Amino acid sequence: AQSVTQLGSHVSVSEGALVLLRCNYSSSVPPYLFWYVQYPNQGLQLLLKYTTGATLVKGINGFEAEFKKSETSFHLTKPSAHMSDAAEYFCAVTFSGSARQLTFGSGTQLTVLP
Amino acid sequence: DAGVIQSPRHEVTEMGQEVTLRCKPISGHDYLFWYRQTMMRGLELLIYFNNNVPIDDSGMPEDRFSAKMPNASFSTLKIQPSEPRDSAVYFCASSPTNNRGPREAFFGQGTRLTVV
Repeated sequence: AQSVTQLGSHVSVSEGALVLLRCNYSSSVPPYLFWYVQYPNQGLQLLLKYTTGATLVKGINGFEAEFKKSETSFHLTKPSAHMSDAAEYFCAVTFSGSARQLTFGSGTQLTVLP
Repeated sequence: DAGVIQSPRHEVTEMGQEVTLRCKPISGHDYLFWYRQTMMRGLELLIYFNNNVPIDDSGMPEDRFSAKMPNASFSTLKIQPSEPRDSAVYFCASSPTNNRGPREAFFGQGTRLTVV
């Protein structure tokens, strides 16, 4: 069975500092990995995804994530946090043999301090 | 495209009443998902459809919940009778077919349900 673990339900960073949100997955077959962002009272919006190919994936709003098979990780980073990045972030996994449903992590609430 | 459209955005109802949530997926998407989000349980998949056919409803919490997709552009999630513990945000999402592998799901803005 596949699963996703997000370490840290709350992360606070100062504006301009590095953002690092952690995600580890468990999957018996090659995974497809996603990061979504949820702003207050909004639906989930795709930030970036990894399917195959290059392991460093760039997304919207300056975010990127690196797929590390040896570490079963897909951490999300952004070099310099902006106040508008404050939101909840979800890591999700599926795999090629699945019927498309995503398994989501529990989410990480990012606070950006001025 | 307007994206996935859900209605209503907010619903407040009394315990025991029937509640119907509605979803219009993105045109051309043949997968439709219903998720529920709560503080305690996070995002849970309730049911999903492929080409209007329910494929997996193992996430539906109990018989009070039912979902239908009468055509490619409309789906409903019904709770009858509703209970306070059903209070949550319900999301609908759709996804297109991609023979090269899974594609991301596109989410609606959700329906915030409060059962009092």
